[in-house]
Parts: sequence; C-alpha cells; structure tokens
Amino acid sequence: EVHLVESGGGLVQPGGSLRLSCAASGFTFSNYWMSWVRQAPGKGLEWVANIKGDGSEEYYLDSVKGRFTVSRDNAKNSLFLQMNSLRAEDTAVYFCARTEYDIWSAYLCFDYWGQGTLATVSS
Amino acid sequence: QPVLTQSSSASASLGSSVKLTCTLSSGHRTHVIAWHQHQPGKAPRYLMKVEQSGTYNKGSGLPDRFSGSSSGADRYLTISNLQSEDEADYYCVTWDTNTHIHVFGSGTQVTVL
Repeated sequence: EVHLVESGGGLVQPGGSLRLSCAASGFTFSNYWMSWVRQAPGKGLEWVANIKGDGSEEYYLDSVKGRFTVSRDNAKNSLFLQMNSLRAEDTAVYFCARTEYDIWSAYLCFDYWGQGTLATVSS
Repeated sequence: QPVLTQSSSASASLGSSVKLTCTLSSGHRTHVIAWHQHQPGKAPRYLMKVEQSGTYNKGSGLPDRFSGSSSGADRYLTISNLQSEDEADYYCVTWDTNTHIHVFGSGTQVTVL
C-alpha cells in the first residue's frame, strides 16, 4: 500500500526557512516523479514543484523559483522541500504526491497523496 | 499556460447524479486533465484522468458511480447515485508538456442535499 507522510511544518517568521520532508513507502520510490502541492487557508490546490525519479529534472511554480528547492534521497525513500526567504503568502498546508508519467497519454499525474503538513509564515 | 475553469459549487440530492465541468482555455483544448477529490483535513484522492477523446482512466478502488467524459474544451466528472461521503471539493488539474507545469482549476464544492 502506498503511504506518504509529510513532516517539518511549523511557524516561521517572514524571511525565514523551513525544510519539509515526505517519507514514502509501499512502492519503488526511485521509479516515480514526486511533487509538492500546497493549499493556502481558504484557497484551492496549487502545484509548487516536482522532481524526476533519478533527480535529474526539477520544475517549479514561478513564484517560488529561486527560493524553494526540491530534492530527494532515493536510498531513504524521502522527498524534501527546502523553503527559504519565506513570505506570508507561502502559508499553506503542503502535500507531497506520488507522480506517475503515463506514456500513453503523455501526462504526468498525481496518483497518491499524503495528508499534508502546515507551514505558517508570520511575525 | 493553460487555464482551467470550474464552477464554484454544485449540489444534488442523495441518490441523484451530479456532473462537474472543467473547461480548458483556448489553445489547450486537447490537454489531458485529472480529477481529484479533497475533503477538509484529509489527503486528496486521485479519481481519474480524462482525455480529449473522452477516454478516462480511474484510480484504484474508485466506485463505478464515478465516470468521466469530454466534449471539445470541456472535461466532465459525473457522480451517480450520490452519497453523503461524496461531499467534498473536486479539482481538475492539467500538466503542460511544453512548460512542465501543473495548473489546477479553482475547485467545485459539492453538497449532497
């Protein structure tokens, strides 16, 4: 059974940093893209970043480029999101999602999600 | 980049059907989309992918009550025999193969009357 558990959220001041983690189990971690998606209070879902299975490709939402870095440790089945220069608008629940590439439809799809971890940026 | 448009809310009676629409912006009408269900405080759940042809590919364990379809720029999610546990927010999302970014619709809140 696929299981994703996020951790590392908390309260941080504007300009500060947080490192989120996602522990994965139940599948061959290195075979899959992984993604971070967030939900600000009262808002909808917003994709943040993703990373290829071997770590060779990373993509980011424009508003987090240069501030956030996605990484992974395939030996430990773990995904990370290093968040620097945090702003109030980064306050959200952050979800990690297994992301499968479907070669038939040429589509990269979130197929399993974690329950999320809350990051609050406030003074 | 693509824009996905969803109605903010929908409601239907217990046991009836509801059809949700996700409309792709001009220039992106051939895009594949996926539907996800999200209940507050829970992990979102992948429901299905829907292609331009109307072909849909459901997630593991999803009841037959859930189906997908397509017409032009519109991608649909139909929930038949609506149950109380179907009350949730439903999001469509697409992935742009050129920019490698994912874009979500604003979500539709479904209420079961």
